[in-house]
Amino acid sequence: NAGVTQTPKFQVLKTGQSMTLQCAQDMNHNSMYWYRQDPGMGLRLIYYSASEGTTDKGEVPNGYNVSRLNKREFSLRLESAAPSQTSVYFCASSASGGRLYGYTFGSGTRLTVV
Amino acid sequence: SQQGEEDPQALSIQEGENATMNCSYKTSINNLQWYRQNSGRGLVHLILIRSNEREKHSGRLRVTLDTSKKSSSLLITASRAADTASYFCATDDTGANSKLTFGKGITLSVRP
Repeated sequence: NAGVTQTPKFQVLKTGQSMTLQCAQDMNHNSMYWYRQDPGMGLRLIYYSASEGTTDKGEVPNGYNVSRLNKREFSLRLESAAPSQTSVYFCASSASGGRLYGYTFGSGTRLTVV
Repeated sequence: SQQGEEDPQALSIQEGENATMNCSYKTSINNLQWYRQNSGRGLVHLILIRSNEREKHSGRLRVTLDTSKKSSSLLITASRAADTASYFCATDDTGANSKLTFGKGITLSVRP
């Protein structure tokens, strides 16, 4: 099925551990995004890539790094996980940066940092 | 920071009734979008309305946009239990580089 695929779906980390969240889309979209969703906070943008080869910080980038590996893949790395990074992480992609069409979201990664 | 703010935060209605949700925003926009999120799932795009449009329909959905008041409303007619979800508005802000800003969402419960 065409869409955005995120792996893993669930992860438990210990404080200080590192991990990479993977995201891939097969819709030939130019733009890709990482959001986190916390209760009562809505979706907050962590990083985004408007096009292959570019990445920019969003609203809450501290503690994260990203890599736009190619047009299909956009990964999010936590170098030293903290309990404050416990959240649900969503990857999204868009053909037009949201200007003409909406975003397509993955099903999310539920991360718990203990 | 959040641009769109939805109102009410939670809404509970009976199946068959209409549900109206509102979104207010602060700055100039290119378009405004509505998304649905079922429990434990990702967001699904519902409808996009451009800044030069006042009303748009898609099936049982009707969206209005009033740029003078910086507000939008989403109407779901003849609601069904399957419409139970969280609904988010998102704005494509003028000057923003290829990114949407999402509100905190409205939780809609439709009682059978």
